[in-house]
This record gives sequence, structure tokens and C-alpha cells, in this order.
Amino acid sequence: GDSVTQMEGPVTLSEEAFLTINCTYTATGYPSLFWYVQYPGEGLQLLLKATKADDKGSNKGFEATYRKETTSFHLEKGSVQVSDSAVYFCALTRNQAGTALIFGKGTTLSVSS
Amino acid sequence: EADIYQTPRYLVIGTGKKITLECSQTMGHDKMYWYQQDPGMELHLIHYSYGVNSTEKGDLSSESTVSRIRTEHFPLTLESARPSHTSQYLCASSELVGEQFFGPGTRLTVL
Repeated sequence: GDSVTQMEGPVTLSEEAFLTINCTYTATGYPSLFWYVQYPGEGLQLLLKATKADDKGSNKGFEATYRKETTSFHLEKGSVQVSDSAVYFCALTRNQAGTALIFGKGTTLSVSS
Repeated sequence: EADIYQTPRYLVIGTGKKITLECSQTMGHDKMYWYQQDPGMELHLIHYSYGVNSTEKGDLSSESTVSRIRTEHFPLTLESARPSHTSQYLCASSELVGEQFFGPGTRLTVL
């Protein structure tokens, strides 16, 4: 079945470092891909999305490109801040429209000053 | 302001009690979901709904039940809570496929 695999955390970085969180997927059809972020004590928030191959989603300095050839959707940011410390989830739409997302297991990012 | 609410935020109860976790959204979304989040942060879908009077079980077997009598309201009920139900419960709603809005969660502890 469809699935999402994320790199395991925690990822620990210093402020202003470059961030990459790897995400690969297995899916039938042509899913949409998402990154969600969960700050401590809160629910998840949509960070960015891409709906077709070669689309680049971007928001708040984060970017991810939908790579169909490598079935990947890696999250990147050029210069992280302490406020970026959170758990990041990669997700894809299921084959059936209207049903819930398939989430990866989440990657914890900790940024120190 | 359009939003999604969950109450209570924290709940500590004894084994065998019946509890209902509330979830309400003001966005008029047809689709709503319940997730259980384990300590390792992984999310498991336990219930979802496409609209009023529609409810489906998710991937994770759960002893909970849900109802959807009004569009804005999607409560989750545990008839007899057990320590294995201790977890974080997240409610979400969506209009567009994949773009889900999450509530802040209910952290449940069953003693």
C-alpha cells in the first residue's frame, strides 16, 4: 500500500545552519504531497504542498520539490532559526479522494542559538 | 474567526470511566478526522467522516466511537477507558483534499 518514509530524528542544528529532512514515498497513481509542522503543545499546521511532479512548494523559507523520478519530497531551508524547532511530518493523499492523509512518522528538529 | 476547537485540552481519569472528547470547527468543512498520536509522535487515523451521518473507521483499531449529527461537531467517545487509551488525540477537518486543519489536541491519561 501507499506509504511515506522520513529520515529519523532528532535533527539537531545550530541557528543559521542548512536544513534537509528527507522524505520518500510509495504510491499508486499521482498523489499530492505535503509537509506539516507541529510546534510543542499544538496541533499540526500545513507548511507547504505540491500537487504534481516538478512542483515546488514553499512557505516561511522552507521549500520542497515533488520529484516523481526519485519518489521524493525533501524539505529544505537555507538558514534555520530557533523558532523552527518542531516536529515535521511528510504526508501524501490516499488513492481515494476525500479520505485522510498518510503521514510519515515525523522528524524532530531542534535548533540551538 | 474560522477555527477548530478541542475540549478538554487535558484529561486525567480512572479506568472504566466513559469519556467524550469534543471537536468543533467553524469552517463549514464536510470532512473531519480523528488521529491518535503516540509518544513517538506517529499519527494513526482512527475515525473519519465525509459529512453528516457519515462515519468510517480508520487504520488503527480503536475501541472508541464517533458521531456526526451536525457538520461542525465530531465528538469521540470511549465507553470504558483503559490505561492503553492514554495518548494524544488530534481532530482535523478539511475541504480540499489533503489540506487539513488540526485542533490543538486532547492529552488523555487513564490511570
